[in-house]
Amino acid sequence: EIVLTQSPATLSLSPGDRATLSCRASQSINTNLAWYQHRTGQPPRLLIYQTSNRAPGIPARFSGSGSGTDFTLTISSLESEDFAVYYCQQRQIWITFGQGTRLEI
Amino acid sequence: EAQLVESGGGLVQPGESLRLSCSVSGFPFSSYWMSWIRQAPGKRPEWVANINQDGSEKYYVDSVKGRFTIFRDNARNSVDLQMDSLRVEDTATYYCAKRWSLNWFDPWGKGTLVIVSS
Repeated sequence: EIVLTQSPATLSLSPGDRATLSCRASQSINTNLAWYQHRTGQPPRLLIYQTSNRAPGIPARFSGSGSGTDFTLTISSLESEDFAVYYCQQRQIWITFGQGTRLEI
Repeated sequence: EAQLVESGGGLVQPGESLRLSCSVSGFPFSSYWMSWIRQAPGKRPEWVANINQDGSEKYYVDSVKGRFTIFRDNARNSVDLQMDSLRVEDTATYYCAKRWSLNWFDPWGKGTLVIVSS
């Protein structure tokens, strides 16, 4: 099983700050990685797929990068609605998710 | 706008059964694979099952094989998850989701809570 490890567990920032979230895979997953946002009381939402492609309707302040085992989600300038939990997910071998990073004000 | 609404969750005892249902609207349901994903309290999400467009292909995570069955009804735009021999560790919020482009998931429903406890 491919294990995804996200860091940090919690990230405390302010609106307007830049956020950098990491996801590390236990073995190479090429670029088969997605990022999801989960706001309290809402369903999870796909942000980024295939490492760096924004899903339809996702603002340009969200970007993804990486390959192999190390991946990054960057939010260039935080807005109030961005404070949520973020999960990475791989599809290289079956499907697994990371444990999440909580982005808090 | 795509909408997925899950129902059927509740409190059951270990060994009992439960059937979850997901009603879908806003996209051509019969054209897409569908999935169930669950998240136990304080845990990471876990993919549970996939079903293809006509129901002829089904895939499951090892921990539910032989106990859970995924179904779909394209006439009713719904996808169900039959859960038998439930265990305490099956306690989770269960989400249905549209699968696209080989195992990305979007959108998801809001989920239904299943609690397995004696």
